[in-house]
Amino acid sequence: DQQVKQNSPSLSVQEGRISILNCDYTNSMFDYFLWYKKYPAEGPTFLISISSIKDKNEDGRFTVFLNKSAKHLSLHIVPSQPGDSAVYFCAATLGRYNFNKFYFGSGTKLNVKP
Amino acid sequence: NAGVTQTPKFQVLKTGQSMTLQCAQDMNHEYMSWYRQDPGMGLRLIHYSVGAGITDQGEVPNGYNVSRSTTEDFPLRLLSAAPSQTSVYFCASSEPGRYFSPLHFGNGTRLTVT
Repeated sequence: DQQVKQNSPSLSVQEGRISILNCDYTNSMFDYFLWYKKYPAEGPTFLISISSIKDKNEDGRFTVFLNKSAKHLSLHIVPSQPGDSAVYFCAATLGRYNFNKFYFGSGTKLNVKP
Repeated sequence: NAGVTQTPKFQVLKTGQSMTLQCAQDMNHEYMSWYRQDPGMGLRLIHYSVGAGITDQGEVPNGYNVSRSTTEDFPLRLLSAAPSQTSVYFCASSEPGRYFSPLHFGNGTRLTVT
């Protein structure tokens, strides 16, 4: 059974608006959470991360929120740009001695319309 | 910097054939791993290595073999290909010894087994 789930396979938003991508997890021992972005025919690239001791992390237009009690994290992109159109994966790991093992969600395909 | 390089980009095999997917990284990362990406499943860990001479199994290791004779290379061997191994395969590397270290991915190998 998947420990990290992304229940929305796709999302379409207008350029300039906010994109919100969601992710749920089941293992309360996960210590770090990450978002990766993937363009077609390329490997995933790291976007932003958050430690379980925080509830928010910002990097430019990207903000990740973590709600540990709900076992839920979300990625906000503001404002959305057409170049953000890609598949976004959330991932989780069990901490500093497990950085070689990540658990990934199934991905959400974001389409930002000009 | 080339980063993580995977060859070949595409491969078609017949059931029962064997082959090796190549992965090389030039970042001197100790950690390397192999993931497969299937529709609706996200990326799943096949095998990983924490250094030369050390490998271990991930979530879906059956039908695959790995070895790590150098820091740079981490080949993945399919012993007897099956249609269920049709997938996109990603190799990744990361640094140990830091509090947090994301994965760096190659561009993938798309494998079809007929």
